Amino acid sequence: EAQVTQNPRYLITVTGKKLTVTCSQNMNHEYMSWYRQDPGLGLRQIYYSMNVEVTDKGDVPEGYKVSRKEKRNFPLILESPSPNQTSLYFCASSTSSRDPNQPQHFGDGTRLSIL
Amino acid sequence: DQQVKQNSPSLSVQEGRISILNCDYTNSMFDYFLWYKKYPAEGPTFLISISSIKDKNEDGRFTVFLNKSAKHLSLHIVPSQPGDSAVYFCAASAYNNDMRFGAGTRLTVKP
Repeated sequence: EAQVTQNPRYLITVTGKKLTVTCSQNMNHEYMSWYRQDPGLGLRQIYYSMNVEVTDKGDVPEGYKVSRKEKRNFPLILESPSPNQTSLYFCASSTSSRDPNQPQHFGDGTRLSIL
Repeated sequence: DQQVKQNSPSLSVQEGRISILNCDYTNSMFDYFLWYKKYPAEGPTFLISISSIKDKNEDGRFTVFLNKSAKHLSLHIVPSQPGDSAVYFCAASAYNNDMRFGAGTRLTVKP
């Protein structure tokens, strides 16, 4: 089954404690992306990657890091989490963000709470 | 600075009637537009898209209209069904793959 898998689905942690949210896709997609969803703001893009070893900043990259060492994985790293990063996070993948025949597939989300 | 705006946070429609969800954008570089649907506790799923070279795209009960001069697009669902109740996100993409989403509209279709 084609899917985007995020882990963990839920996490409560404290300020300053480094954390990583993993994202894996099994569709051999080149494009992967991270979003955060906040009330009234919708989905905002954090980082995206066009292919292995190629990453670019999205709309709200501050406080986040990503890496794309393998095609299937695109982890989101919070080196020193702060309460304003409490949010619902989604990973997505597609052959291209602009391919009309291959839109983005989203994971089921990771809810992060940073105290 | 929200470049994609959905000004109606919610919409309630009777089953069988038309649902019209609206979206406005400010960036004239956007040339590809999408609608995603999201149920609670799930990720968004793709619904329909339109390229800026078109002004209409239809897929079954769903039609998206694009008015480039007004920087406005709309999603029409006819007839609406209770299973259509979800949050709908409008999204826009420019040449640099930067994808921007609206804040979403919660559609409730009443039986």
